[in-house]
Formats: sequence, structure tokens, C-alpha cells
Amino acid sequence: AQKVTQAQTEISVVEKEDVTLDCVYETRDTTYYLFWYKQPPSGELVFLIRRNSFDEQNEISGRYSWNFQKSTSSFNFTITASQVVDSAVYFCALYAGGTSYGKLTFGQGTILTVHP
Amino acid sequence: DSGVTQTPKHLITATGQRVTLRCSPRSGDLSVYWYQQSLDQGLQFLIQYYNGEERAKGNILERFSAQQFPDLHSELNLSSLELGDSALYFCASSGVSGVPYNEQFFGPGTRLTVL
Repeated sequence: AQKVTQAQTEISVVEKEDVTLDCVYETRDTTYYLFWYKQPPSGELVFLIRRNSFDEQNEISGRYSWNFQKSTSSFNFTITASQVVDSAVYFCALYAGGTSYGKLTFGQGTILTVHP
Repeated sequence: DSGVTQTPKHLITATGQRVTLRCSPRSGDLSVYWYQQSLDQGLQFLIQYYNGEERAKGNILERFSAQQFPDLHSELNLSSLELGDSALYFCASSGVSGVPYNEQFFGPGTRLTVL
């Protein structure tokens, strides 16, 4: 069975602080994909990144960076110099093949509030 | 704007009723996915269609059904509604390959309230 755990239910920071959102996953499949999605107050889900299990390179996109560590089954997301517009719910998700074909498993989400 | 459209945006109905939610995928996308987001269950995958055929099933109740039409739009039918069915229902679409690990583009959702 696939499982995604986002340990932080809510995080509150002040603008310009760096913040890291944790994600730990469980799967028995050797091939899998990890995602981060953002859900702003308007409600839609916005894709941020996809990483496959064979690519452990970290990625940076502007103020966003992701740290993928297979050894600890973690795929953490860091926002540098946070801004009020970063306030949203962030979801980590896992897709693995085999018996879970077709199923994207989401974590419970982390509510990030960035105060001015 | 993801290019995925969902109607209606809001729906208020009573227990025991039946509703239909509609989704139009992005132009060119053949796969459509339905998700339910509720406070107690979080975001859950319901079902996937690819080019008109059911491809994968998640935690979809028997009272719920879906289909994808030849023009690729999809409908999610919810019947015998219960209070617990109140949730935000998302539709997502992805490209031509049908593999669900591609990036999925989500619609704005339909908020269903069952009174």
C-alpha cells in the first residue's frame, strides 16, 4: 500500500523567512513518482514538481527547492524568503505502479500561512 | 488557468437526491481523473477514464458512477446523496499517454453541499 505523510499540519511564518515542508512516503514499488501540488485560497490545485524514483537530484526553481532522499523516503519542499502569496495548502503526492495503477495518493496537506 | 473546466462551481442539494458534475479536460488530453476532497478523508482519488474507457478505480462508492463521452468530457454522477458526500470534487486531466504519473492539471472543483 502507498502512503504519504506530511507531519506538519500547519506552519506559520513571517515574510522573508525560509520554510521547509516535510513529506515522507511509503511504497514497495521501485519505480514511483513524487509530486508537490499547491492549493491557494481560491481552491484549485496547482502542479509544482514531479520527481521519479531514479532521479535523486535536488531541484531548485526560483525560491522553491526540493530535496529528495530515497534513503529516508523523504521529499521535502523548501520555500526561501517566503512571501504572503505563498500562503496556501501544500500537498505531497505519490504515484506508484503495480496494484496502485492509476492512483495518486496524497498526503493530508500542510497549511502554510505567511504573515506580512 | 489550467484549461480544465468544471460545472457547476457550487451545488446545494438534499439527502437522497442525485446530481451530475461535469468536466471538460484540457484540449488534447485523453485522461480524466476524479478526486474528492473532504475534511475528514482529505484528497482521494475516485476514478480515471482514458479515451472513453475506465482505466483505474479508487475509493469510489457504489452510489457514484462516472463516464467519459466521445468528445472526452466526463461526468460524475452521485446518487442517494448523504450528508457525508459534501465535499469538493475535482476533475483533472493529463496528456495522450494515459499514464497517471504524468502531471495532472486540475479544474477549479465543484463544491457539493448536501443538506
